[in-house]
Amino acid sequence: DAKTTQPNSMESNEEEPVHLPCNHSTISGTDYIHWYRQLPSQGPEYVIHGLTSNVNNRMASLAIAEDRKSSTLILHRATLRDAAVYYCTGDTGRRALTFGSGTRLQVQP
Amino acid sequence: DTAVSQTPKYLVTQMGNDKSIKCEQNLGHDTMYWYKQDSKKFLKIMFSYNNKELIINETVPNRFSPKSPDKAHLNLHINSLELGDSAVYFCASSQGGARNYGYTFGSGTRLTVV
Repeated sequence: DAKTTQPNSMESNEEEPVHLPCNHSTISGTDYIHWYRQLPSQGPEYVIHGLTSNVNNRMASLAIAEDRKSSTLILHRATLRDAAVYYCTGDTGRRALTFGSGTRLQVQP
Repeated sequence: DTAVSQTPKYLVTQMGNDKSIKCEQNLGHDTMYWYKQDSKKFLKIMFSYNNKELIINETVPNRFSPKSPDKAHLNLHINSLELGDSAVYFCASSQGGARNYGYTFGSGTRLTVV
C-alpha cells in the first residue's frame, strides 16, 4: 500500500482557495491517488481521484506532481461546509484503500 | 434513497454479548467492505467481499465474522464483545474496487461496549 503523509491540520478563510498537500513517495506507477473527506459524525465521502494528469470535478481539483510523489487537493472557494478531515490514499487495485490520519481543515467565516 | 445504509446507527451493549451490524447498498456494486474507525480516527480495513466471496480478511480477531447473503448485503457479527471493540464501524461499497469510481460509505454504526 502507498504510504501517505499529510499535515495534521490547516486553516482557511471562507471563499478563499485551499490547497491541501499530500506526499506519497512510495506510490507505484499504476496506483491511483484518491481523496476522501469526512464531515463530523458522517462516513467518508469520495472527493476525487486520478493517476497522472490533473483532474477536475464539481467538488475540487486534483493536481498531481510530475513524479507522482505528491499531489494537492484544491478547493477553489472554501465554504463552512468544507470543514472536514481530508484523506489522501493510494489505490493499488489489489487491496482495499488504506487511510492515514488525514488533514483537519478548519474554515473561518 | 440512501445508497449505503447501516443499521443500527448506535449500539450500546455489555461486555460478553453478541451483536450484529447490517449493511445494504442499492448501487448495484459488486464489492463491499467493513472498516473500523477507532478513537484516534484511523480507518482500518477489516473485510471485503466481492460478489459474496471473501477477498480481504485483515488481522481481525475471529470473534468478528462477516456474512454476505448476496452482493447487496454485508453483515458483521461480533461474538463476546470486549471494551476494545468500541469504535465506529463503516460499511462501504464499490464497483470493481476503487479504481474507477471510488468507494461509497455508509454513515457508520457507533458501537459502545460497557
